[in-house]
Amino acid sequence: ETGVTQTPRHLVMGMTNKKSLKCEQHLGHNAMYWYKQSAKKPLELMFVYNFKEQTENNSVPSRFSPECPNSSHLFLHLHTLQPEDSALYLCASSQESGGVGELFFGEGSRLTVL
Amino acid sequence: GQNIDQPTEMTATEGAIVQINCTYQTSGFNGLFWYQQHAGEAPTFLSYNVLDGLEEKGRFSSFLSRSKGYSYLLLKELQMKDSASYLCAVRDSNYQLIWGAGTKLIIKP
Repeated sequence: ETGVTQTPRHLVMGMTNKKSLKCEQHLGHNAMYWYKQSAKKPLELMFVYNFKEQTENNSVPSRFSPECPNSSHLFLHLHTLQPEDSALYLCASSQESGGVGELFFGEGSRLTVL
Repeated sequence: GQNIDQPTEMTATEGAIVQINCTYQTSGFNGLFWYQQHAGEAPTFLSYNVLDGLEEKGRFSSFLSRSKGYSYLLLKELQMKDSASYLCAVRDSNYQLIWGAGTKLIIKP
């Protein structure tokens, strides 16, 4: 496999459920990102990991909990979400954060919170 | 505050040329990116400009004027597969990416 893969592609959950999104990159990059994409809005950066260390948390509610066990894998654990959290969650990677290279994105996990 | 402006939606005809504009106000500048995103797919990198001028890559070109805080993406010989959203993003002085909301381009036969 190549590139950035995300699972699941679609997820429907109730407000009391606990679920996780998974991202894996096969590019040998050292930085990984979670973005939220809502219709007609700019991409919102949620978390950044550089060499497995979290370097950015953009005031994201604690109901979103990231985990980065190694440079190739990134998880987003979801708990007691709200309907307004329904969106496309994109994972991305780059050679390293703060560098000049471009981001490589996964196809996203479409989350619907009922 | 930091801001990226681009049109919400544009329509063009197959075979024609379209220019998608992007204006920005950011704290510093360390490069401007254009990404293409087809519906339900990942955004993919199209171009990067850090110096003023035109960068050409096949049917796509990207222009930058740093003094005007302005860029455009020029798409020539439009094809139906060019129907997608086009995202403009600027890297600020802290190397943070500031994103526009994207321009949805509709190509008609």
